[in-house]
Amino acid sequence: EVHLVESGGGLVQPGGSLRLSCVVSGFTFSGFWMSWVRQAPGKGLEWLANIKDDGSEKNYVDSVKGRFTISRDNAKNSLYLQMNSLRAEDAAIYYCARERVAARVALEYWGQGTLVTVSS
Amino acid sequence: DIQMTQSPPSLSASVGDRVTITCQASQDISIYLNWYQQKPGKAPQLLIYDASNLHTGVPSRFSGSGSGTDFTFTISSLQPDDISTYYCQGHGTFGGGTKVEIK
Repeated sequence: EVHLVESGGGLVQPGGSLRLSCVVSGFTFSGFWMSWVRQAPGKGLEWLANIKDDGSEKNYVDSVKGRFTISRDNAKNSLYLQMNSLRAEDAAIYYCARERVAARVALEYWGQGTLVTVSS
Repeated sequence: DIQMTQSPPSLSASVGDRVTITCQASQDISIYLNWYQQKPGKAPQLLIYDASNLHTGVPSRFSGSGSGTDFTFTISSLQPDDISTYYCQGHGTFGGGTKVEIK
C-alpha cells in the first residue's frame, strides 16, 4: 500500500526557514516524479514545485522561486522542501504527492499534510 | 505561469441532477488537465487526468472533456457522497475550486 508521510511543519517567525520532509513507502520511489502542494486555511490548492524521478529536473511556481528548494534522496525514499525567507502568506498545510506516470502533474497519491504557521 | 479560471465558485443541486463545472486555461495546455475532489479536512483525490481519463477506482458518473483552453467536468447523477470541493489543474496550476452542495 502506498504511503506518504510529511513532517517538519511547525511555527516559524517571518524571515525564518523550515525544511519539510516526506517519507514514502509502498512503491519504488525512484520511478516517480514528486510534487509539493500547499493549502492556506480555508483557501484553495496551490501547486509549488515538482522534481523528476532522478532529481535532474525541477520546476517551481513563480511565487516561491528563489525561496523554496525541492530535493529528494532516493536511497532514503524521501522528498524534501527547503523553505527560506518565510512570509505570513506561506502559512498553510503542505502536502507531498506522487505524480502519475506519463500524465503531466496528475497527483494520484497524497500525504496527510503538515501544517506550517508563520508568525512572530 | 498558466492561470486556470474555474466556474462556478459554488453550486447547489439536487440528488440525481447532472452537474457541470468548467475550467479555462490562460493558454493552450493541450489535454493536460486534471480534476480533483477534496472533502473537508482531507487531502485531495485525483478523479480525472489528461482531460478525460478516469483515474483508477473512480465511479463512472464522473467524466471530463475538452482540450486546448476549455474544459468541462461532469457528474452525471449527483450523489450525497459527492458533496465536496472540486478543483481543476493544468500544468500544475490549480483553479479556484467549486464547492458542490445538495439543494
